[in-house]
Amino acid sequence: DQQVKQNSPSLSVQEGRISILNCDYTNSMFDYFLWYKKYPAEGPTFLISISSIKDKNEDGRFTVFLNKSAKHLSLHIVPSQPGDSAVYFCAASPGTYKYIFGTGTRLKVLA
Amino acid sequence: EAGVTQFPSHSVIEKGQTVTLRCDPISGHDNLYWYRRVMGKEIKFLLHFVKESKQDESGMPNNRFLAERTGGTYSTLKVQPAELEDSGVYFCASSQGGSGANVLTFGAGSRLTVL
Repeated sequence: DQQVKQNSPSLSVQEGRISILNCDYTNSMFDYFLWYKKYPAEGPTFLISISSIKDKNEDGRFTVFLNKSAKHLSLHIVPSQPGDSAVYFCAASPGTYKYIFGTGTRLKVLA
Repeated sequence: EAGVTQFPSHSVIEKGQTVTLRCDPISGHDNLYWYRRVMGKEIKFLLHFVKESKQDESGMPNNRFLAERTGGTYSTLKVQPAELEDSGVYFCASSQGGSGANVLTFGAGSRLTVL
């Protein structure tokens, strides 16, 4: 049973526009969330995080929104750039050191 | 600062053979994790070391998998005997621990192909 779901396997966006990547979770005990970006043949690299005590965290072009009541988080990238093309994973933790990852969403930013 | 290093980057073995994957975490990181990604699926947790102790091995698929972390430094993950379904990319990650956000730093992965 998948506790972290990324229901869109892929997404294409024009350069300069907004990319919105979504993630749903089922476990109400999750209290810390991370987004990772992965290029081919590389390991995932950390992008941005959010704690359950917040509903928004921003870092440059990247913003993560958390809706606890809906058990939903989203990553917004504005403006999108071709170099953002990668697979994005969301991950959640119930306050332990163990993270549960989703299946990833492949983002393609078209020049 | 050196990142998380994994070796080999790719291993091709036949069913029934043995493979050992190695991970060198970032120096000073007490927490070391093994994850696995099978094609197109989630990055699945295998186990977590704190220093040399196994903190959580709930994700280990079965007793064909053995992980060790000698002296709390590098770690090895041995698969013996390998089966076809063990194919995938094995990622190692480390983190510092302590207070604050626990952000995992991943290695590039070891791709295992079992024929």
